[in-house]
Amino acid sequence: DSGVTQTPKHLITATGQRVTLRCSPRSGDLSVYWYQQSLDQGLQFLIQYYNGEERAKGNILERFSAQQFPDLHSELNLSSLELGDSALYFCASSVGQGPYNEQFFGPGTRLTVL
Amino acid sequence: DQQVKQNSPSLSVQEGRISILNCDYTNSMFDYFLWYKKYPAEGPTFLISISSIKDKNEDGRFTVFLNKSAKHLSLHIVPSQPGDSAVYFCAASARSSGSARQLTFGSGTQLTVLP
Repeated sequence: DSGVTQTPKHLITATGQRVTLRCSPRSGDLSVYWYQQSLDQGLQFLIQYYNGEERAKGNILERFSAQQFPDLHSELNLSSLELGDSALYFCASSVGQGPYNEQFFGPGTRLTVL
Repeated sequence: DQQVKQNSPSLSVQEGRISILNCDYTNSMFDYFLWYKKYPAEGPTFLISISSIKDKNEDGRFTVFLNKSAKHLSLHIVPSQPGDSAVYFCAASARSSGSARQLTFGSGTQLTVLP
């Protein structure tokens, strides 16, 4: 158990809909990262927050947005969903900002868009 | 454009033998490399890392080798154990302004250690 929690574990929805994925980082961790893993692909970095502020952005679609709240939990919002958005979405957390701070991953949310 | 490539989707090894997982990268700005292990239904777990100022880092049964001129790194597991069966991801990070960095992952290699 990494100490990072993600809810829900599974999510099935239809095209055009909007969903929110939630992540609670490990106690004491200030950084939260979001990754997308599509079928047979590596993890694609989406976005990073540190202590409530956006710090790095990857290939995140404009239909996707995220935020980190004062209690440090984070939400990833996916809107106007398309079939290709079906994937595993991982959240990770670390104490600091850079990769020298080990990232601890949650178990992921499996999103299926029908 | 895949900047981090793991060309072998799968690898099978006998228990007790050496497992060698390979990773190639194209971005010469990468200066920090990591290996993660992932079991089904779990998130990736950090295994071992190496900075570009080194060419080898060892941690127990796990050793990572970095060949900067070839832009290649490898993970050696000796001896391999059935519990090592998992998907192994190579990841890299690049120098950039500021302290925030992102990890670029390869597509993973499924290692199966046969008893």
